[in-house]
Amino acid sequence: SQTIHQWPATLVQPVGSPLSLECTVEGTSNPNLYWYRQAAGRGLQLLFYSVGIGQISSEVPQNLSASRPQDRQFILSSKKLLLSDSGFYLCAWNPTEGYPDTQYFGPGTRLTVL
Amino acid sequence: QKEVEQNSGPLSVPEGAIASLNCTYSDRGSQSFFWYRQYSGKSPELIMSIYSNGDKEDGRFTAQLNKASQYVSLLIRDSQPSDSATYLCAVSPSNQFYFGTGTSLTVIP
Repeated sequence: SQTIHQWPATLVQPVGSPLSLECTVEGTSNPNLYWYRQAAGRGLQLLFYSVGIGQISSEVPQNLSASRPQDRQFILSSKKLLLSDSGFYLCAWNPTEGYPDTQYFGPGTRLTVL
Repeated sequence: QKEVEQNSGPLSVPEGAIASLNCTYSDRGSQSFFWYRQYSGKSPELIMSIYSNGDKEDGRFTAQLNKASQYVSLLIRDSQPSDSATYLCAVSPSNQFYFGTGTSLTVIP
């Protein structure tokens, strides 16, 4: 069966510090991968999505970036965090066969920028 | 205009009652519709998907889709306190995925 992992689970970082969040998917190949952010009391904001290694599409211009160095690995980064980067970061995947429209979420990383 | 709209609630129902959650969407080309449940502090969990007009039942959950009215709903029968969560509606029109902001449901014992 397929599983999706994210780490760390929680993170407290000072303003201006760098960020690296990691997401990995097991049990599938060539998934589409997504990064979302959910601010407190807000909806899900799509940040990036990837349909393959090295292929990244950005939905919202900001100080974040994403990379996909391996088929089942998706990384979210920042060189300098802002207070507004605080939120719940969710990685999601959907299969490219079967029901490709269905998205499944990882456990999330709660980021607090102080 | 938002792609997917939901009443934010909160919606409160007594235990054992039917909870009704509603969602409207703007893109008539949408083909796939989903309901996710999100407990506080946790990630969204898929509970229902529906692709055709009509009703789809899974245990205590029934999803209803009306593409002509651009409307999708979720009914929860025999509501339990464990159903207390935020319910997210999601719509997928060809490789895009849009979420509503969610409806908060509280089931009162």
